[in-house]
Amino acid sequence: QVQLVESGGGVVQPGKSLRLSCAASGFTFSTYGMDWVRQAPGKGLEWVALISYDGRNKYYADSVKGRFTISRDNSKNTLYLQMNSLRAEDTAVYYCAKEELSGSSSADYWGQGTLVTVSS
Amino acid sequence: QSVLTQPPSASGTPGQRVTISCSGSSSNIGSNAVNWYQQFPGTAPKLLIYSNNQRPSGVPDRFSGSKSGTSASLAISGLRSEDEADYYCAAWDDSLNGVVFGGGTKLTVL
Repeated sequence: QVQLVESGGGVVQPGKSLRLSCAASGFTFSTYGMDWVRQAPGKGLEWVALISYDGRNKYYADSVKGRFTISRDNSKNTLYLQMNSLRAEDTAVYYCAKEELSGSSSADYWGQGTLVTVSS
Repeated sequence: QSVLTQPPSASGTPGQRVTISCSGSSSNIGSNAVNWYQQFPGTAPKLLIYSNNQRPSGVPDRFSGSKSGTSASLAISGLRSEDEADYYCAAWDDSLNGVVFGGGTKLTVL
């Protein structure tokens, strides 16, 4: 069965960096686009970034463009999110999600999430 | 403020039919598919409807989606207490070159 397991969250000071990982299993990772979506405490969902199945195409929300980098290692079935210059408003649960193949930009499987807290 | 607009709350009694609206623009709903997610407190979202009106395997046919122009709707018929959750619409936005979400609708089953 499809499994997505995020790791790397924690407490970090403003301006510092953090790298999140998402280990995928149960499907052919190299054939699916992947997303990062976050949810601030008590707030709604916010899409963060998307990477194509081969890593060639990457898209970012304006709120993280220039600070966050999405990447993937298809040999390790792992998705990453490098987060630099972190701000208090980046505090959220970060979910990785697998894109469904219909072309609708929907995510059909989600991880359990990892909490990132940006605080001094 | 979210790019897609949803009512913050909705409610109904068991057995009723409720609808949740999602309003966008020509760059998102008007030109791309709409997806709906269900989220219970403390858990990850679950895909409920994709490509405007398609249900993933395992989603009951009580849930249905529709789209017209720059708006979309999620309908839940035969409302059950276990449907009490947050519901989000989402679509690709051609102008922003990314996915946009609605602010979410908290559904209460009275």
